[in-house]
Amino acid sequence: SQQGEEDPQALSIQEGENATMNCSYKTSINNLQWYRQNSGRGLVHLILIRSNEREKHSGRLRVTLDTSKKSSSLLITASRAADTASYFCATDRGFQKLVFGTGTRLLVSP
Amino acid sequence: KAGVTQTPRYLIKTRGQQVTLSCSPISGHRSVSWYQQTPGQGLQFLFEYFSETQRNKGNFPGRFSGRQFSNSRSEMNVSTLELGDSALYLCASSLGEGSGQPQHFGDGTRLSIL
Repeated sequence: SQQGEEDPQALSIQEGENATMNCSYKTSINNLQWYRQNSGRGLVHLILIRSNEREKHSGRLRVTLDTSKKSSSLLITASRAADTASYFCATDRGFQKLVFGTGTRLLVSP
Repeated sequence: KAGVTQTPRYLIKTRGQQVTLSCSPISGHRSVSWYQQTPGQGLQFLFEYFSETQRNKGNFPGRFSGRQFSNSRSEMNVSTLELGDSALYLCASSLGEGSGQPQHFGDGTRLSIL
């Protein structure tokens, strides 16, 4: 079963715009991770945020975590065509390996 | 450093057959996990191995099994294949076991059942 629901399911933007994806989950977690998957390829780890952290940055990525609302968001600033991919949140509860959300398909047009 | 390698990349089988998929983790990584990805069910955890021992198992029937060798390489076996087993099977490795370990994924084996 999937722990996370992601919103929106699909997002289409122009290069240079920001993209925001949201993830909601159901149970308490140890940490939450975001991954990117290009078509036909494996997943690439983007960022990990622990349950006691509220915000984390990595290059053009900004992740927030609100454990009281059981939600996280991923912001990609100044999007590029190369950012076109599916993005997944994954929760880690410590006793079972990652439980992935449903994913957001991002299309960045030149 | 070489990434996670999965072989074969593509596989076509018929119902009732069995299949073995292989995964070589990143050098030095001792934890290997397997996931199944389908359009309908998304990404689902199959099992995790660490030091040749199965540490965690997802909610899959006993037809799905795996093992890990002393060099951390892992194999996954599916017996009595069903049409619903058609999926992308992804292997991921991490340095250690437990919480807070980023997973490094291979490009997967796409299994098609006819």
